[in-house]
Amino acid sequence: QVQLVQSGAEVKKPGASVKVSCKASGYTFTRYDVSWVRQAPGQGLEWMGWISTYNGNTNYAENLQGRLSLTRDTSTSTAYMELRSLTSDDTGVYYCARDRRPPDGFDIWGQGTMINVSS
Amino acid sequence: DIQLTQSPSFLSASVGDRVTITCRASQGISSYLAWYQQKPGKAPKLLIYSASTLQSGVPSRFRGSGSGTEFTLTISSLQPEDFATYYCQLLNSYPRSFGQGTKLEVK
Repeated sequence: QVQLVQSGAEVKKPGASVKVSCKASGYTFTRYDVSWVRQAPGQGLEWMGWISTYNGNTNYAENLQGRLSLTRDTSTSTAYMELRSLTSDDTGVYYCARDRRPPDGFDIWGQGTMINVSS
Repeated sequence: DIQLTQSPSFLSASVGDRVTITCRASQGISSYLAWYQQKPGKAPKLLIYSASTLQSGVPSRFRGSGSGTEFTLTISSLQPEDFATYYCQLLNSYPRSFGQGTKLEVK
């Protein structure tokens, strides 16, 4: 079936980096883009960025510019999210989502990856 | 950046009630809006896209309407499984912001 499966929970120290994977299955990876969304504990959804699985083009939320990198590996149908210089404000659940073309909603979501930043 | 403002932030209702959630955009976005439902500990679920198109498999009691700057999500007859948090999202420009959410609770 169509699904996105993310890597497992991580605990990181402030200042460290984290890289989360998102493996797609059940559809042609390069026909849909991937967006990343995060959610701090008890808070709403925050769009982080987008990557074209076709050519690797990206667009990042302004508040994450310089710390966020989105990449993809078409040979393994996997998207990656790397966030650097972590602080406690980065603690939360991180989701990847299938982003349709033209953009009309995120129809498939990963299960979420909990990132806990703590000293 | 275009901002999305949802109202109300909290809504108490009973099974069988009709409820409406509003999402206002800070500038016109045509019909480039989606609605999601999120239950605790779960990923969001796409309900409506292009402001009024029902995502496959979503019950017909969910209805989206609006264009420009004002949009609504209406649930015609609340079911027990509908108590959740609802978000609107901008589709046609970056950042692809979400509204702050509306938590629908049991009265």
